[in-house]
Amino acid sequence: GQNIDQPTEMTATEGAIVQINCTYQTSGFNGLFWYQQHAGEAPTFLSYNVLDGLEEKGRFSSFLSRSKGYSYLLLKELQMKDSASYLCAVRLYNNNDMRFGAGTRLTVKP
Amino acid sequence: DAGVIQSPRHEVTEMGQEVTLRCKPISGHDYLFWYRQTMMRGLELLIYFNNNVPIDDSGMPEDRFSAKMPNASFSTLKIQPSEPRDSAVYFCASSLAPSPGQFFGPGTRLTVL
Repeated sequence: GQNIDQPTEMTATEGAIVQINCTYQTSGFNGLFWYQQHAGEAPTFLSYNVLDGLEEKGRFSSFLSRSKGYSYLLLKELQMKDSASYLCAVRLYNNNDMRFGAGTRLTVKP
Repeated sequence: DAGVIQSPRHEVTEMGQEVTLRCKPISGHDYLFWYRQTMMRGLELLIYFNNNVPIDDSGMPEDRFSAKMPNASFSTLKIQPSEPRDSAVYFCASSLAPSPGQFFGPGTRLTVL
């Protein structure tokens, strides 16, 4: 089976930094994705890592270590609108077949 | 360009009825995915197509579920007969390999009474 683990819930303060971790054990690996999902809405693509290291995109950064089966999503200068679920997903092979973690529900407080 | 289109957005039906969910992928995309999302199980991949051909349907829960993609611009997911435990949000997503990421439709919220 495919195992993708991430914390269920996190809380942070507006303006702060938060790191959401994801560990995976999958039959294949061809990239790790982070998606954001607001309540009642569809997931939207945030970031993609296929090589080890840090990818930065504005306030959001994502890190990958393939040898450790580990990734994190870093959100800086948190805003209230960042309150959402963040889904970690692994692309298994070179065909966009992706498996998702259960998601981390982030609550940003004033 | 329009994103992924799903219909209906909401469906309420009674146990035993047939339910058909529809999806129109983004034009030019060659992969189409059907997912189911519940609080208990999260986002689960049900089936995906490449160039209209089903590639992996191992996520389809049982024979009551079936999916078709008769052409590049249309897919259906059918549940017959429906059961209360099928209540969930069903998402359709499409992508264009090898570009990373999938684009999700708005989902269909299904309630089976």
